[in-house]
Amino acid sequence: DGGITQSPKYLFRKEGQNVTLSCEQNLNHDAMYWYRQDPGQGLRLIYYSQIVNDFQKGDIAEGYSVSREKKESFPLTVTSAQKNPTAFYLCASRRQRFSGNTIYFGEGSWLTVV
Amino acid sequence: AQTVTQSQPEMSVQEAETVTLSCTYDTSESDYYLFWYKQPPSRQMILVIRQEAYKQQNATENRFSVNFQKAAKSFSLKISDSQLGDAAMYFCAYRDTGNQFYFGTGTSLTVIP
Repeated sequence: DGGITQSPKYLFRKEGQNVTLSCEQNLNHDAMYWYRQDPGQGLRLIYYSQIVNDFQKGDIAEGYSVSREKKESFPLTVTSAQKNPTAFYLCASRRQRFSGNTIYFGEGSWLTVV
Repeated sequence: AQTVTQSQPEMSVQEAETVTLSCTYDTSESDYYLFWYKQPPSRQMILVIRQEAYKQQNATENRFSVNFQKAAKSFSLKISDSQLGDAAMYFCAYRDTGNQFYFGTGTSLTVIP
């Protein structure tokens, strides 16, 4: 089946630890995105990547890092510098070729700091 | 960054009735796309409907339709014949010419049996 797979679904992080959220897509999409969702704040863009080996910061990139070594993969690392990382994280992807194309989302990952 | 505003945090509708969710946005661009996404309790984001700004005709998808008022920068979603499965969080989104997506804060829709 084609789609966007995020793992793990639930992740617990201790204070001071870095954790990495995985995002893999087999849709042959060019662009990939990471969003953070907090109650009452909608979705906020963390990072996005339009092509392999290139990515740009979104509105709330501080405390996060990404890589895009393969077209299919766009992992997000939540570093210890992120002071309030507890949230729901959504990965999305989009095909660049057609201007009308929307983004498609994975099922999300819950990150909780313990 | 563009601004997308959903002024109704919560809405409710009787089953089989019609409900309209509001969305306004702020932009200086003339060419853009607007979307409505549905997020049920599973948290999976599902595309409901899409509107291209250069098209005057309002988009429709079965029971879902939009009222796109470009000059007013308004993009409301109408759900007809509401069903229990329509209960969800609904997000309005704007896509700019740089392919960035901006989301509103969402409207939680309750469907009353």
